Amino acid sequence: DAGVIQSPRHEVTEMGQEVTLRCKPISGHNSLFWYRQTMMRGLELLIYFNNNVPIDDSGMPEDRFSAKMPNASFSTLKIQPSEPRDSAVYFCASMVVNTGELFFGEGSRLTVL
Amino acid sequence: DAKTTQPTSMDCAEGRAANLPCNHSTISGNEYVYWYRQIHSQGPQYIIHGLKNNETNEMASLIITEDRKSSTLILPHATLRDTAVYYCIVRVADSGYSTLTFGKGTMLLVSP
Repeated sequence: DAGVIQSPRHEVTEMGQEVTLRCKPISGHNSLFWYRQTMMRGLELLIYFNNNVPIDDSGMPEDRFSAKMPNASFSTLKIQPSEPRDSAVYFCASMVVNTGELFFGEGSRLTVL
Repeated sequence: DAKTTQPTSMDCAEGRAANLPCNHSTISGNEYVYWYRQIHSQGPQYIIHGLKNNETNEMASLIITEDRKSSTLILPHATLRDTAVYYCIVRVADSGYSTLTFGKGTMLLVSP
């Protein structure tokens, strides 16, 4: 099993540019989560989906952030326009709904200059 | 979901048992206790979870007090690779609408 796959692993961009992070959950998992981690704020939940439907996006910082899950095997997190304060490691995780056993990807480290 | 309290950091000698405490005094009857850990530069990893009975798997043991207001994660023979941040989380079980909220966790340093 390949696990949760995230891309890119590292992204360096300039302020104002659009950033798209991608995630492929584990096959058969029907819940998908996007988290953001910084030294100051720790691990924060941004949004999660059940069966491709967004359930709670209250953690999304502002309108510059958007997430989609067009099918069970793919999700994107988009930041447009990006700002330096968006610099963080973004984790995608998936699980079988109701189990509480999250499987995390290796993360996408974003640096916005 | 109920809030948890953990020590900021702990030390453990290699080969000894590491006992990581967690206080969750406001836990509800339908909330489970979950433990995750995060090794530097990696995503968090699930360790174990339980409701009220003690649980054991290949990674660790989870001891939950009878009143369920606290628990202890036990790594029976800590190794250097167990150095990580350990998170204790409570979550409503059997709910597709209950998330996992990570706090600050406990930084466990295992030394030779």
